[in-house]
Formats: sequence, C-alpha cells, structure tokens
Amino acid sequence: ETGVTQSPTHLIKTRGQQVTLRCSSQSGHNTVSWYQQALGQGPQFIFQYYREEENGRGNFPPRFSGLQFPNYSSELNVNALELDDSALYLCASSSWTGPWVGYTFGSGTRLTVV
Amino acid sequence: AQTVTQSQPEMSVQEAETVTLSCTYDTSESDYYLFWYKQPPSRQMILVIRQEAYKQQNATENRFSVNFQKAAKSFSLKISDSQLGDAAMYFCAYRRKQGGSEKLVFGKGTKLTVNP
Repeated sequence: ETGVTQSPTHLIKTRGQQVTLRCSSQSGHNTVSWYQQALGQGPQFIFQYYREEENGRGNFPPRFSGLQFPNYSSELNVNALELDDSALYLCASSSWTGPWVGYTFGSGTRLTVV
Repeated sequence: AQTVTQSQPEMSVQEAETVTLSCTYDTSESDYYLFWYKQPPSRQMILVIRQEAYKQQNATENRFSVNFQKAAKSFSLKISDSQLGDAAMYFCAYRRKQGGSEKLVFGKGTKLTVNP
C-alpha cells in the first residue's frame, strides 16, 4: 500500500511567478485535500477535490486553484505568487467510498517566495 | 467560530515520564471526529489517535490516550512512558463537515521536547 507522495519537496520562486505542486494519493483513496502551513502555525484548509471537482474551499483567493485527475492524483496551482505564500503545502487523501478511513498526509512541499 | 485552541506552545518531559497536552475546541456540530497528529521534522502529519464524539469511552493507542470531555469541549492527549522519538510538534484537530465537503480544523500546535 503506497502512501501519499508530493513533489517537489522544496521550491524557490520569485514574487509574481506561478507554481504547480503535485500530489499522488494513497492507493484506494478518491478524495484529495490541500492545506497551507505557515511557519509556526497549524495547517489551513485550501480546498478539497472529489470526482475531479472542487467540492469545498477555505478562505483562499482564486489565484489558488487545483485539479484532480482520473487516477485521483492532484495539482495545486498558485498564480501571481506573493511573499506570504511562503509555506509548507500539505496534501491529504481519504476515501468517501465505504467506511471513513481518515486522512493520510504527504510530507509536503516547502515553497519559498523571494 | 469553529476553532481549536492549544494553550501550550511548548512542553517538555523527561524520558519515561508522562506528559499531557491540552486542547479545547468550539463546534456547533453534535457528531464529529477529533484527532491528535504528530509532525516530526520530516514534516509528514502522522495520526496519533482519534476519537468519535458519539463515543463516551476515551480512545487509547498503546502509550497514547485521550481525556475527552464533550460538554467542556476539551480533548487532551496523555503520553505515557515518553520516548525520545515522541519529540515533535503535536496538533489537535477536528473534522468539520460543510455541506457536501469536509475539512480538518487544526490548532496552532504544541512543541514537545523529550529530555534524556
């Protein structure tokens, strides 16, 4: 059973650029959620994808967008990067089929915006 | 507001001793899940223990147990026989359902240091 894999592990971007982060969900999971964890804080919910559609969103602007693919993997895209976007981005997968199994998290992508 | 409060930014414990991490939460839901997650320097969130709100019995997982007080909206984590590998950030969270979606709401975390 594979876990959640995120890539890249680290990334440095310049303010105003665009970035794409990737997540492969755990085998058997069909739901993916993304979280932003600023330094010294708990993770904040960005959005959730189920059946390739966004079905829940936190308090993040539209320049944060995502995709879910037929194999349940996902991408997080951030446009017009700002310095405050520097954070650890965590992906978590779960299954909405059958009994709820909880969330499995990846190790995150550390994004630094300079 | 639906929030989670961890009032102890940092805690320390001697190896083999017991430590309790505090968490209070605020929710209007009657049925929900509560969690404690561990985040070591490897950054991955690792589930330590979970509690279904409808269950009165406190959850236990080996050296980890919780004291769940539903009326007081309190959910503390007790770590017995602390080990060096327990050193990490610990986050309390609850699962909030929003229409057809759901999310985890996290506290700010408690940094646990284990002294040899």
